[in-house]
Amino acid sequence: DIQVTQSPSALSASVGDRVTITCRTSQGIRNNLAWYQQKPGKAPKLLIYDAATLQSGVPSRFSGSGSGAEFTLSIISLQPEDVATYYCQKYNSAPWSFGQGTKVEI
Amino acid sequence: EVQLLESGGDLVQPGGSLRLSCAASGFTFSNYAMSWVRLAPGKGLERVSSIASGGSTYYADSVKGRFTISRDNSKNILDLQMNSLRAEDTAVYYCAKVGPPPVGYYDSWGQGTLVTVSS
Repeated sequence: DIQVTQSPSALSASVGDRVTITCRTSQGIRNNLAWYQQKPGKAPKLLIYDAATLQSGVPSRFSGSGSGAEFTLSIISLQPEDVATYYCQKYNSAPWSFGQGTKVEI
Repeated sequence: EVQLLESGGDLVQPGGSLRLSCAASGFTFSNYAMSWVRLAPGKGLERVSSIASGGSTYYADSVKGRFTISRDNSKNILDLQMNSLRAEDTAVYYCAKVGPPPVGYYDSWGQGTLVTVSS
């Protein structure tokens, strides 16, 4: 199985900072990667799919990039409501694994 | 608007059984693959089981042989029968809709139902 490694596991930043989260896979997966945001006590929410396509309704301060085996999620100006855990997920082939998650705090 | 409403979560003893259901609305249920994804305390998201529009199924190794996923396209219902439950099955279970074929990301999620396995 292709392994998915997300880093860092947690980060703390200030309001207005740029935040970057990285997801690496053990083999290339083309652009078959999604990013989710999960706030405490809430369901996950799709932010980005196909590595860089913003889901409808998601603020433009979120962006995704990368292809092959290295991907990033960026928040260009962190807001208080962005406090959450973020997950990447590969879906090129089964199993559709998630990364370990990155907890973002302010 | 897509809506997914899970039910059936409860406190159950180890070795017990539980059936989760997910009522779907707002989209053509029969056209989409569906999954159960769980979030255990202190852990990350884990895909538990999936069922394609055509009925083919997937199970994580951790639940294979114990859980059974099914769907009723006439009632827009997704089910998960969980047998031989273990403490490590304790989690919030989410029903999730897979995006347009052939993709494998989840574009809609239910609010989750809590399963606690404990004596």
